Amino acid sequence: GQQLNQSPQSMFIQEGEDVSMNCTSSSIFNTWLWYKQDPGEGPVLLIALYKAGELTSNGRLTAQFGITRKDSFLNISASIPSDVGIYFCAGAVRGGSEKLVFGKGMKLTVNP
Amino acid sequence: SQTIHQWPATLVQPVGSPLSLECTVEGTSNPNLYWYRQAAGRGLQLLFYSVGIGQISSEVPQNLSASRPQDRQFILSSKKLLLSDSGFYLCAWSSGGVGDTQYFGPGTRLTVL
Repeated sequence: GQQLNQSPQSMFIQEGEDVSMNCTSSSIFNTWLWYKQDPGEGPVLLIALYKAGELTSNGRLTAQFGITRKDSFLNISASIPSDVGIYFCAGAVRGGSEKLVFGKGMKLTVNP
Repeated sequence: SQTIHQWPATLVQPVGSPLSLECTVEGTSNPNLYWYRQAAGRGLQLLFYSVGIGQISSEVPQNLSASRPQDRQFILSSKKLLLSDSGFYLCAWSSGGVGDTQYFGPGTRLTVL
């Protein structure tokens, strides 16, 4: 089946630092989504991307839909302790179904 | 606005007992509905999805089943739980169509002893 390669798998950073994570696929995607999951809760949508090359910001978060349609990145600037959690990328394969393909997640730890 | 509910929030069940987890969505009609399982706080494994009442697609053959008795209700069941069924179960909905954004519920933490 389809797979997304999400990297890194985990990061330990100091408060105030910037964070960058990305996802790549061997398939062309029509949609890229980024979610954040706090411990014990369901994932929450952060940013949705629908066009190749699209760059979207949401506060301190910035995400881009890669030009090749096979990758996406998420940046977090000036991290704060509440950024702790697991970040998932997800995408919809062109010509695919009602299902999304998810990355395995990136666990972020922010040291105050 | 749309909201998604799951209950119970936590559940501890003995091996061999039955299971019923419920998910309901408000504020939308004819959603696509999904059940995921998450082990050890990491990846999401799609278990079932439904594009309409009575329509269930199974992704992973296992000890679980799903049903959609009403448009905005999705139920995950088991007749006899296994230890390996423990995990965090998430329900999600989307508005329909190929690759639509999915929105997740708060989850149910299941522990099988």
